[in-house]
Amino acid sequence: GEDVEQSLFLSVREGDSSVINCTYTDSSSTYLYWYKQEPGAGLQLLTYIFSNMDMKQDQRLTVLLNKKDKHLSLRIADTQTGDSAIYFCAESIRDSSASKIIFGSGTRLSIRP
Amino acid sequence: EAQVTQNPRYLITVTGKKLTVTCSQNMNHEYMSWYRQDPGLGLRQIYYSMNVEVTDKGDVPEGYKVSRKEKRNFPLILESPSPNQTSLYFCASSGTAAYEQYFGPGTRLTVT
Repeated sequence: GEDVEQSLFLSVREGDSSVINCTYTDSSSTYLYWYKQEPGAGLQLLTYIFSNMDMKQDQRLTVLLNKKDKHLSLRIADTQTGDSAIYFCAESIRDSSASKIIFGSGTRLSIRP
Repeated sequence: EAQVTQNPRYLITVTGKKLTVTCSQNMNHEYMSWYRQDPGLGLRQIYYSMNVEVTDKGDVPEGYKVSRKEKRNFPLILESPSPNQTSLYFCASSGTAAYEQYFGPGTRLTVT
């Protein structure tokens, strides 16, 4: 079945890099996403990567995709207090009837001074 | 401003009292979806709609109903709420199912 897994918590020191990892099971993924949820708010798309790409960089964000291992990671360089949030990995898949997006359980990133 | 709105934002109700959470989007999106968010479980899809008059069950549809009579609106109906439906609910919309989803601000529901 379809499943997306993430660790629940990550704590990093301000200024260090954060790396949030995700594994997924469905090899038919077309897009993989990272969403950010700040306290009291809905999810917002941070970045995404096509399944035929290995890496995508966008300012402080680097996404790495290892299709063989079905592993996705999000690296945030120079982590700031404003990066404190829950980060969700998600994959879009197409089955026989429709496309849909499967979300992971979210990783809560906390920043320590 | 492009947005997804949900109402109410907070609701406390009692077991068995029917309620509706409204969702509206102004982006002319075809795809709309409802999720519930519970600690440690992430987002689980309740129902989705590919277009007007087309709805389908997600992963956790039991106890919920939806309708899609107009493109912009996708209400979530709880005919007989129970305490296990206490959760944070999000509505989302996108151009198609596979693309970026725009989320509403969430509705925190407590059923006592």
